[in-house]
Formats: sequence, C-alpha cells, structure tokens
Amino acid sequence: DIQMTQSPSSLSASVGDRVTITCRASHNINNYLNWYQQKPGKAPSLLIFAASGLQSGVPSRFTGSRSGTDFTLTIDSLHPEDFATYFCQQSFKTPPTFGQGTRVEIK
Amino acid sequence: QVHLVQSGAEVGKPGASVKVSCKASGYTFTGFFIHWVRQAPGQRLEWMGWISTDTGNTRYSQRFQGRLSISTDTSAGTPYMELSSLRSEDSAVYYCARGLVTAWGDYFDYWGQGTLVTVSS
Repeated sequence: DIQMTQSPSSLSASVGDRVTITCRASHNINNYLNWYQQKPGKAPSLLIFAASGLQSGVPSRFTGSRSGTDFTLTIDSLHPEDFATYFCQQSFKTPPTFGQGTRVEIK
Repeated sequence: QVHLVQSGAEVGKPGASVKVSCKASGYTFTGFFIHWVRQAPGQRLEWMGWISTDTGNTRYSQRFQGRLSISTDTSAGTPYMELSSLRSEDSAVYYCARGLVTAWGDYFDYWGQGTLVTVSS
C-alpha cells in the first residue's frame, strides 16, 4: 500500500495566520491527492481534489500544491471555523490511503 | 442536495456481525460508487471497500477479505456494509462516502454522518 505521511501532526495558530500542512507519499502518485477537513464529531468534507482543484463551495483561502511526492495544503488568513483536523488521501492506487491527520488548534 | 444518512449506533459482541445502512438522496443513485471508510479512536481513516451501485460489483480491502460484505438495495437507494467475526479492534466510526470518478483522480465528495460501532461482550 502507498503510505501517506503528514506533518506536523498538530499545530497552534491564531486567527489571521497563514498555515501550511505537508503530506508526503511513499511512491509517485502524480496529482492523485485529495485534502479533507474534519471537525470533532463530524464526517470529513472535501476541500481539494487532484492536488490543487478547489471543491465547489470551499473558500479560496484554501490552496493545494505539489512538488514531486510532496503535497502542501495552505490556508491563507486562518478563520475561526478553520480550526479542525486535516487529512490527505491518495487515489492513485487501490487501496486509497490517508495521512494520519494534522490538528489545527487555536493558539 | 445530496444526503447520505446512516443508521444508528450499534453494539456487537465479539464474533458477531453488524450491518450498517446508508440511505442516499438528492442525486441519481446508480451514477456513483459508494465507499465505506472507518475511523478507530485516535487512528487515521481506513478505506474498507466500494460498491458499484449500478452493477453491484464490489471491491474490498485485503484487510477485510472474508469478513466484509457490501451490498445495495437499488430500489431503496440504500447501500449496506456488513462486517462479521467482530473483534475489539473493529470498534470505530464507520462512514459511507460517495465516490466521484474523474480523469484526474477519484475522491469522496459527500459523506454520511458516521455510525459508531462498539464491539463489547
């Protein structure tokens, strides 16, 4: 299976900060990388598909990018509702696999 | 709008089975795969398998081969996930998710609210 490794596992930030989360794939996955947001007690929701595609309805402060097997989720100007856990997921090969998550907490 | 509504929390004994439903609405049911993903406490999300709601074809993760059965009642717009030979490590929240297949990759664009399954004697 393709292993997905996220960093950091958690971070503290303030409203208005710029936040960057990284996800590294164990093998080449091209752009087959998606990002999800999950709030406590809720199901994940799709933010970014195919490394940089913004899902409909998701604010433009969320952006995704790729460099080789490294993928980055950036949140520009953190809003209060952005405090949550973020997961990456590869869809290049079955089984689809997820990163361990990055928890974004209020500083 | 798209909704996936799952059945309520379940408690199962070790060795028993549990079956979770996922009622879909707001879209053409047979146009999309349904996947099942679980999340154990403190663990990452884990993909379990999918079903083609059009053909009934299934594909399962090797980790669940022989214990997992995904089915669908197309007339009711409802897929099901049944896990047998339960063990304590199967205690988790189970999600159904709609799978979108595109030229630039597959992704899960809508999710059910989750069903807590607790394995306990």
